[in-house]
Amino acid sequence: QKEVEQNSGPLSVPEGAIASLNCTYSDRVSQSFFWYRQYSGKSPELIMSIYSNGDKEDGRFTAQLNKASQYVSLLIRDSQPSDSATYLCAVNSENTDKLIFGTGTRLQVFP
Amino acid sequence: DAGITQSPRHKVTETGTPVTLRCHQTENHRYMYWYRQDPGHGLRLIHYSYGVKDTDKGEVSDGYSVSRSKTEDFLLTLESATSSQTSVYFCAGASSYNSPLHFGNGTRLTVT
Repeated sequence: QKEVEQNSGPLSVPEGAIASLNCTYSDRVSQSFFWYRQYSGKSPELIMSIYSNGDKEDGRFTAQLNKASQYVSLLIRDSQPSDSATYLCAVNSENTDKLIFGTGTRLQVFP
Repeated sequence: DAGITQSPRHKVTETGTPVTLRCHQTENHRYMYWYRQDPGHGLRLIHYSYGVKDTDKGEVSDGYSVSRSKTEDFLLTLESATSSQTSVYFCAGASSYNSPLHFGNGTRLTVT
C-alpha cells in the first residue's frame, strides 16, 4: 500500500462546477496535510494546509480532513480553466520529518 | 519561490560523469529537501537536511549524496550519473518539520 494515494485522473469538470479531489494516507499518526498545485513544467506551489479534523476554507478552496478515516480532500468551487493543473496531496507524520507526496490528480476544467 | 534558487535549470550529461546540482535559499529555512519527479511516480524524496551538516536519506537515495556546509546551500551530487537518473529535480525548504515546503524552480537533468 502506498503511503499517500490519489486518483491520477484526469478529473474533468465544466467551468463553474465544484471539483472534488481526494487523498488517502496510511500512517495513522500523520499530523500535517498539504495540497499543492503544479502547472505543467512548473514547480509545486502550496495552496492549502490543514492540521485539524474538519474543514478549512480559503477563497474558492476548502480542505477537509478526517483523521479517523485517514483521508483529506480538496474542494474547488466555481472552477475556472486556470485551475487546470495537477494537484498533489502531501502528508507529514509525527514519526518522521519527511513529507510524503501522492502522485497527484490531474484536473481539467473545460469552458 | 524567489527565495529558493536552483542551478543549473537544465543540464545534459553523459553516463558515468559526476554531476552536482545546487540549491540556494535566502529564507533561513532549517529544513531542506531534494526530490525527483518522474511520470507515474510523483515526487520522491532523495535526501534531506535538518540543519547544517545534518542530513538523512530519503526513499530513493542510492547513487546520490548531499552536503550542507551552511544554512543557505544544499548540494546534490550524482556520483556517477546513469540514464535512470534522468529526471526533474526539485529543491525545497521549510522552517520546521511540519511546515509547508517551498519549492525552487527545478532542474531538468538528462543523462545520455
